[in-house]
Amino acid sequence: NAGVTQTPKFRILKIGQSMTLQCTQDMNHNYMYWYRQDPGMGLKLIYYSVGAGITDKGEVPNGYNVSRSTTEDFPLRLELAAPSQTSVYFCASSYYQGNTEAFFGQGTRLTVV
Amino acid sequence: AQSVTQLDSQVPVFEEAPVELRCNYSSSVSVYLFWYVQYPNQGLQLLLKYLSGSTLVKGINGFEAEFNKSQTSFHLRKPSVHISDTAEYFCAVIVNQAGTALIFGKGTTLSVSS
Repeated sequence: NAGVTQTPKFRILKIGQSMTLQCTQDMNHNYMYWYRQDPGMGLKLIYYSVGAGITDKGEVPNGYNVSRSTTEDFPLRLELAAPSQTSVYFCASSYYQGNTEAFFGQGTRLTVV
Repeated sequence: AQSVTQLDSQVPVFEEAPVELRCNYSSSVSVYLFWYVQYPNQGLQLLLKYLSGSTLVKGINGFEAEFNKSQTSFHLRKPSVHISDTAEYFCAVIVNQAGTALIFGKGTTLSVSS
């Protein structure tokens, strides 16, 4: 099993460019999440999805968009990249919320210059 | 609103010494509690979780944690650490009836030296 796969692993963007961070899971999990990790700040929830076609904002959604057309995929879109979006992005999935383990991808390190 | 406070941002220890990483949470309702570990340049991996029942929870790699409801704490312990335990450790909480996603603390960097 591949688990949660994120692509790309690294990316450098110029201010104002756009990109999509890809995330796919092969565990048939209902719940998927996008977090960003900044040094000394822990992980902050950007968006989450409880199933195909259903998404909702987390703590820090501004500047991002998501879609969930299939159970497997949960891409994160950055429009008009800004230096404040320089971060490490993690995608995660879980079968259910609450008492089940969340599985994380390896992360995407994004730098906006 | 729920929040998680990890009381130490960095914990340096020598190999084979015991270690405790402290975590406090705030919530007016029942929660599930987790500890995750992140090795350098990797994603997060579950160490252990408390859902209900026994307040002492054992996890992987010899780690354990104790849930203390009166002190709203969930401290992580290991009696003897190895160099390979060097990593960042995150305490996380989710509301067990309505929560939809984990809320993380800021992390504690454990550095084990010989």
